[in-house]
Amino acid sequence: SQQGEEDPQALSIQEGENATMNCSYKTSINNLQWYRQNSGRGLVHLILIRSNEREKHSGRLRVTLDTSKKSSSLLITASRAADTASYFCATTSYSGNTPLVFGKGTRLSVIA
Amino acid sequence: GAVVSQHPSWVICKSGTSVKIECRSLDFQATTMFWYRQFPKQSLMLMATSNEGSKATYEQGVEKDKFLINHASLTLSTLTVTSAHPEDSSFYICSARGEGGELFFGEGSRLTVL
Repeated sequence: SQQGEEDPQALSIQEGENATMNCSYKTSINNLQWYRQNSGRGLVHLILIRSNEREKHSGRLRVTLDTSKKSSSLLITASRAADTASYFCATTSYSGNTPLVFGKGTRLSVIA
Repeated sequence: GAVVSQHPSWVICKSGTSVKIECRSLDFQATTMFWYRQFPKQSLMLMATSNEGSKATYEQGVEKDKFLINHASLTLSTLTVTSAHPEDSSFYICSARGEGGELFFGEGSRLTVL
């Protein structure tokens, strides 16, 4: 299994601060994606980074990927209370139409 | 963006009954859909890969006779939890792969078995 492992498992910050979440995985990947999940809801795709990319930005999100360390980080800048959610990384391998394998997730709480 | 619709969003049933959950890709065709299960405060665990026109591929430890998957068309996959028991209570989420390779998720279905 190439299940990702996020850390920290839970993170609580003040509004306006930056939040950094890390993800590690076990095997070679084609790409790594970050998803957000509000409590009891489905997943929202945030950003995808391919194995040949090192950094990607989308709005207040910044994702890095280090394939040598098999790790990725998600940075949310200037956090807002509405960013409170669980964040998961997920990976796909190279072999065909494979599903995403999810990490355990980081529960982020942004306090207003 | 692509939309995946899941129905019902929540269901309560008695032990021993069967429950069907539908997953539809609304504006794209999906030859492959995936079914996940999520327990409270835990991650998503892949249950099975649903292939249009063929049998589903189940992950190790998932009972195929318990969780029946049918992918009869390019826009619809169904998961039927047969003879449900309280331990089957969970959040079930489906996903479908878009043309660009990105996975789109349904809103999930919360099953409570009494």
